[in-house]
Amino acid sequence: NAGVTQTPKFQVLKTGQSMTLQCAQDMNHNSMYWYRQDPGMGLRLIYYSASEGTTDKGEVPNGYNVSRLNKREFSLRLESAAPSQTSVYFCASRGQLTEAFFGQGTRLTVV
Amino acid sequence: QQQVKQSPQSLIVQKGGISIINCAYENTAFDYFPWYQQFPGKGPALLIAIRPDVSEKKEGRFTISFNKSAKQFSLHIMDSQPGDSATYFCAPATQGGSEKLVFGKGTKLTVNP
Repeated sequence: NAGVTQTPKFQVLKTGQSMTLQCAQDMNHNSMYWYRQDPGMGLRLIYYSASEGTTDKGEVPNGYNVSRLNKREFSLRLESAAPSQTSVYFCASRGQLTEAFFGQGTRLTVV
Repeated sequence: QQQVKQSPQSLIVQKGGISIINCAYENTAFDYFPWYQQFPGKGPALLIAIRPDVSEKKEGRFTISFNKSAKQFSLHIMDSQPGDSATYFCAPATQGGSEKLVFGKGTKLTVNP
């Protein structure tokens, strides 16, 4: 049982480059989330999806887009990376009556 | 609007001591109150959770206390160990699981040997 799988684990981008972070879960959860974690800032919600076909903004959505491709997959796209987007990104999923399950994170550096 | 307030931001205790972390929330629709534990380089994982039909839940050295009228819940770690050194987050939610999930800012716990 893989749980929540994120790819890649590490990435270095140049300012202005684009990339997509991939996330997949195998627990049949309806809800999926993307967070960023910066020192002293906790986990800040970027976007979430309560069900297949729906997405909503979180606390810090600027500079990001998401796609809920199907029930399993929820991707996060940076169209034009900026140094302020250097962070650790976590994907999570949650079903009814359960806790959130997290991936191992993607450490992104924008230079 | 800050929905979840967690305190303290950091905590240092001696081995064998008691660690207490607090979480206050605003949304009265929440009915699931978890604490997550995160070690460096890893994603957060559930440590212990409580539902509002009880005021306290104990699992080993970890206890959650819930005060519905005050809209607060706390994590107590008894006999704290160096291996408990981690960052702890609260994230109150509904059992339905479809709302946006907001975490507290985290508490970095250091247990000195």
